[in-house]
Amino acid sequence: SQKIEQNSEALNIQEGKTATLTCNYTNYSPAYLQWYRQDPGRGPVFLLLIRENEKEKRKERLKVTFDTTLKQSLFHITASQPADSATYLCALDPSPGSASKIIFGSGTRLSIRP
Amino acid sequence: DTGVSQNPRHKITKRGQNVTFRCDPISEHNRLYWYRQTLGQGPEFLTYFQNEAQLEKSRLLSDRFSAERPKGSFSTLEIQRTEQGDSAMYLCASSPGTGLLNTEAFFGQGTRLTVV
Repeated sequence: SQKIEQNSEALNIQEGKTATLTCNYTNYSPAYLQWYRQDPGRGPVFLLLIRENEKEKRKERLKVTFDTTLKQSLFHITASQPADSATYLCALDPSPGSASKIIFGSGTRLSIRP
Repeated sequence: DTGVSQNPRHKITKRGQNVTFRCDPISEHNRLYWYRQTLGQGPEFLTYFQNEAQLEKSRLLSDRFSAERPKGSFSTLEIQRTEQGDSAMYLCASSPGTGLLNTEAFFGQGTRLTVV
């Protein structure tokens, strides 16, 4: 069956350190993989999109990698700040090449302590 | 354009009642999605539209749920004969939908439904 798996346990990181979140998927062949941030009581907010022919994507303090062989994406926040505390969701298109839905993982809650 | 708008933000209803939610997507976005989210879980796909056509509906969705997108603009999600298990955050999202590959989705603030 098709699955998107993210660390179910919350991740607690000291301010200033790099936070690394993992997204693994099975039985998908995504062309795009996306990362979103979600704060409590609010809708997800898009952060980054990485294509299957891209190994790495950066945006300010954020970095995403995409390994289609391992079927894994890593999401890094460098120089983490308490304001980065949120739930981070990975998402993918399960049927690239035909208009379809976006499927989300369950998210990883990140806490940055001062 | 201020983004995706959902109404109401909160809805409390008695079991057995019908409820309807509205979503106004970003102008000219072709794709519109409905998701349901419960505490500690990611958004669960319910259904999505390409313009006014409903292209897919989750098999998890019972016949009590129906969605429409007349004229390819706003959308409504109706839940008939609500049950306590329907309590959740209902999220709407839209995306430009250019080409066959998805781009990022823009989410509304959601409608929190509580069935008592």
